[in-house]
Amino acid sequence: DTEVTQTPKHLVMGMTNKKSLKCEQHMGHRAMYWYKQKAKKPPELMFVYSYEKLSINESVPSRFSPECPNSSLLNLHLHALQPEDSALYLCASSQAGSTRQPQHFGDGTRLSIL
Amino acid sequence: RKEVEQDPGPFNVPEGATVAFNCTYSNSASQSFFWYRQDCRKEPKLLMSVYSSGNEDGRFTAQLNRASQYISLLIRDSKLSDSATYLCVVIGSGTYKYIFGTGTRLKVLA
Repeated sequence: DTEVTQTPKHLVMGMTNKKSLKCEQHMGHRAMYWYKQKAKKPPELMFVYSYEKLSINESVPSRFSPECPNSSLLNLHLHALQPEDSALYLCASSQAGSTRQPQHFGDGTRLSIL
Repeated sequence: RKEVEQDPGPFNVPEGATVAFNCTYSNSASQSFFWYRQDCRKEPKLLMSVYSSGNEDGRFTAQLNRASQYISLLIRDSKLSDSATYLCVVIGSGTYKYIFGTGTRLKVLA
């Protein structure tokens, strides 16, 4: 059982749609992450929030828009995506303010762009 | 040179074998290291953190060699259920940049 919950598990959308991915954790972690993972590749960091503030944006296209409404929730708003954006999107969390704590991952949202 | 490098494998080993993977990192200032396991189409799951003195968890042993800048994972008495991709993770510059290796694929054969 994962302590980081992501919804939906699967999402199929057209290139003109707007949708959101959601992530929730109740471990008291104050750092939350979005990753994109393509098949047979490692996770690729997109965004990091620490203490509800965006601290890292890895030059992600603006069609991906993150939001951290509170310390437990992380959203990823999607708009006008391209077929190459089809991937597994993973949310993770970790304790903040320490360099030694591992991340905990949700089970991901598998996104397909038609 | 990539920041974190792993042999992608696959490593095909018989049940009961001992297998070891290495992971090299380029930033000598790196402080934190982890091994994750990822099954096909699943999320990465933490296998173990890697401590300076080395650490063991059942059949799994992790070691850190700072002088040569690599970490290793040893799996003893391999089980079929150990078949997965093993990802090495190093925390890079800054607290929140977790850098993943490309992963090493392990297949344990009956």
